Amino acid sequence: GAVVSQHPSWVICKSGTSVKIECRSLDFQATTMFWYRQFPKQSLMLMATSNEGSKATYEQGVEKDKFLINHASLTLSTLTVTSAHPEDSSFYICSADGTAETQYFGPGTRLLVL
Amino acid sequence: RKEVEQDPGPFNVPEGATVAFNCTYSNSASQSFFWYRQDCRKEPKLLMSVYSSGNEDGRFTAQLNRASQYISLLIRDSKLSDSATYLCVVNRRGGNKLTFGTGTQLKVEL
Repeated sequence: GAVVSQHPSWVICKSGTSVKIECRSLDFQATTMFWYRQFPKQSLMLMATSNEGSKATYEQGVEKDKFLINHASLTLSTLTVTSAHPEDSSFYICSADGTAETQYFGPGTRLLVL
Repeated sequence: RKEVEQDPGPFNVPEGATVAFNCTYSNSASQSFFWYRQDCRKEPKLLMSVYSSGNEDGRFTAQLNRASQYISLLIRDSKLSDSATYLCVVNRRGGNKLTFGTGTQLKVEL
């Protein structure tokens, strides 16, 4: 149990396009989902906390208008990278709240912006 | 200062060796502590939680020293399959946001 999926697993796009990444909890309901970004040889950095039915909470330095988050149901959160640029190329990982102290991570999405 | 600090390594050890990783955290309000494992190009996976009393899971032993704000992970009889990056992770009090260290890379060799 406690499986989180992400789609797509990797994406290559041209600079200026928007990319949507989906995060789904497959066998449980997640009131809260988290979005992380990881650059090569760096740690996972929390970008935002996504709460079902309400606005996401963004970490300091993360542009909410560039990284649009929608959490419309208890099993789905989406992250849209708008007008992507090469510096947005990264590994994007979502997680969903399980128990009070456990988060279940998706397999990640590799984004390459040309 | 980073909120969670780790030696990035890499630690290159022979199979069967014992290896120890350390981690320090700066926020004394941190409430929960974990070690995660991350394989190359994969998501992090929970290895074990860390408690002040210390806890052991097979070949892995984790320890927390709240006074020194220090966390450790000991791997005994290391296997080739233990090669990965080990992430020290803390959870802030009153919430469920995780803060990750940059990780320590372990390479176990024949």
